[in-house]
Amino acid sequence: EVQLVESGGGLVQPGGSLRLSCAASGFPFSGYWMHWVRQAPGKGLVWVSRINSDGSSTTYADSVKGRFTISRDSAKDTLYLQMNSLRAEDTAVYYCAREDGALGAFDIWGQGTMVAVSS
Amino acid sequence: DIQMTQSPSTLSASVGDRVTITCRASQSISSWLAWYQQKPGKAPKLLIYKASSLQSGVPSRFSGSGSGTEFTLTISSLQPDDFATYYCQQYNSYSWTFGQGTKVEI
Repeated sequence: EVQLVESGGGLVQPGGSLRLSCAASGFPFSGYWMHWVRQAPGKGLVWVSRINSDGSSTTYADSVKGRFTISRDSAKDTLYLQMNSLRAEDTAVYYCAREDGALGAFDIWGQGTMVAVSS
Repeated sequence: DIQMTQSPSTLSASVGDRVTITCRASQSISSWLAWYQQKPGKAPKLLIYKASSLQSGVPSRFSGSGSGTEFTLTISSLQPDDFATYYCQQYNSYSWTFGQGTKVEI
């Protein structure tokens, strides 16, 4: 079964750090671009970051640039999001998603992991 | 950055209705437009890609059209399972943006 499973969310104080993981299974992980998308409580979807298939190229939303780092480990079939200098406005459910290049869209999504930034 | 504007924000409809949601891009994105359905507490689900191509397994009552800057998602006959929030999403030059969402309610 093609699957993405996020983990690592939780409660963190402003200014703190957290690392999210997204474990992939059921497909050749190293062949796909991967993304992080977040959704604040009661709000819409916001794209956060993207990494290409071999990890050599990354892109970030302006709101997280310089604070978040996306990476991947093909040996572990796992995607990461290192989040530093967290702010209250980073509070959201974070989803990892697979981009199918042929579709130009995100065809597989994880279940999401909640990150709450509060003192 | 390319902005995506969906309308309406909320849509009230009944089972069997034909429903149309519009998405406008702030600049041309060719056909790089996708539509997703999201239910409360769940991850989004891909419905339409490249503006008008139906994702595998998605019922044929869903259809998409448009190119350039104006796009539509149509549900030909609304079913009980279709009450959800719908998002458009563009891809252009290493930039990805979602619309603000359209909630389809009874």
